[in-house]
Amino acid sequence: KNQVEQSPQSLIILEGKNCTLQCNYTVSPFSNLRWYKQDTGRGPVSLTIMTFSENTKSNGRYTATLDADTKQSSLHITASQLSDSASYICVVSAGREYGNKLVFGAGTILRVKS
Amino acid sequence: DGGITQSPKYLFRKEGQNVTLSCEQNLNHDAMYWYRQDPGQGLRLIYYSQIVNDFQKGDIAEGYSVSREKKESFPLTVTSAQKNPTAFYLCASTGGSSYNEQFFGPGTRLTVL
Repeated sequence: KNQVEQSPQSLIILEGKNCTLQCNYTVSPFSNLRWYKQDTGRGPVSLTIMTFSENTKSNGRYTATLDADTKQSSLHITASQLSDSASYICVVSAGREYGNKLVFGAGTILRVKS
Repeated sequence: DGGITQSPKYLFRKEGQNVTLSCEQNLNHDAMYWYRQDPGQGLRLIYYSQIVNDFQKGDIAEGYSVSREKKESFPLTVTSAQKNPTAFYLCASTGGSSYNEQFFGPGTRLTVL
């Protein structure tokens, strides 16, 4: 069964600290993996997209890594800010030949406090 | 929110009523999608449309209907047959880039009274 599991479910950190969110998937075949940030009551916004051949990609203070062999990804947030408080969603795409089906994780809720 | 608008932002419905959620995009994207989001769960696909006048059921289509008469618009109707319609509804579109990235609208929160 195609699944995306994220951990932890929720996380509280102090402003300025770093954190790492985890994503494990069983989706096959694999096309690409995306991380989205979703503020409360808003639509998700893309942070990074990585294909099979990419093992790291950065977007400002956000750095995503991908290990396609172990089917694991992580999102590292450096020097967290209060505005980083949001849900972070890992999404895996099965590829164009499978209708670009997306499998969504349940998300990790991050709260950054001062 | 990437050129996708959804309205209304909040919607209240009495049991037994049908309601229609609006989704409009000005990105010239061919494909559009409707998702439902519930607390503690990943987004689930309701319906999608790859081209005008064509749409396909997603994983949880029962109790929902859609139309795609124009490229820019993909309205979702939540019918009285949907047993548990209270949720956050998200519309998305895809422009066919190499990553086939989906852009999401701001969402509509539907509450059944």
